[in-house]
Amino acid sequence: QLVESGGGLVQPGGSLRLSCAASGFSFSIYEMNWVRQAPGKGLEWVSYISSGGGHIHFADSVKGRFTVSRDNAGNSLFLQMNSLRAEDTAVYFCAREDDYFDAFDIWGQGTMVTVSS
Amino acid sequence: EIVLTQSPATLSLSPGERATLSCRASQGVSTYLAWYQQKPGQSPRLLIHNASKRATGIPARFSGSGSGTEFTLTISSLEPEDFAVYYCQHRFNWPLTFGGGTKVEIK
Repeated sequence: QLVESGGGLVQPGGSLRLSCAASGFSFSIYEMNWVRQAPGKGLEWVSYISSGGGHIHFADSVKGRFTVSRDNAGNSLFLQMNSLRAEDTAVYFCAREDDYFDAFDIWGQGTMVTVSS
Repeated sequence: EIVLTQSPATLSLSPGERATLSCRASQGVSTYLAWYQQKPGQSPRLLIHNASKRATGIPARFSGSGSGTEFTLTISSLEPEDFAVYYCQHRFNWPLTFGGGTKVEIK
């Protein structure tokens, strides 16, 4: 199970830190991703972090503004979002990636981020 | 960036009918393609991985095929719970991308 938290209303230019708490599986051996969905729109991949945290990738739309990290001892994933823009408004999902499946097999319920003045 | 184009955008069908959804990649992705189902207010659910392998617990009426640039998700006989939006996604290189989605609606 994955449970996101930390969403909310933030002004343009502000920051927010999302968390994703994992339970029921060995978090430390799985790659993790963040995916977002703007209201009424499709899915957009945001970020990836390897199981050990040594490999990280971002979508161009967030590169340089977002950072991703994980605490394997605490079974948690984080997304630090800085310099937020209106177009970052979306539901943010964390998703487990199964290395064998090359796909996202477990998703959280999502947390809403609204960037507005 | 690999662009995934899904067609049609909307598919209007009746329960019991066959649904055929297409996903075309702007460049080859081998079989590094997955399909997800999303219902309103819910998180996406993995249906198919590696282009043709059903995920755990997915009914046999869902099947995937294709490789390279052309992929198909087929639902052999639509059940009421299958009316939803379907997305394809590649895992070939960075950045990962999703298709724009196909909405399967009740006719």
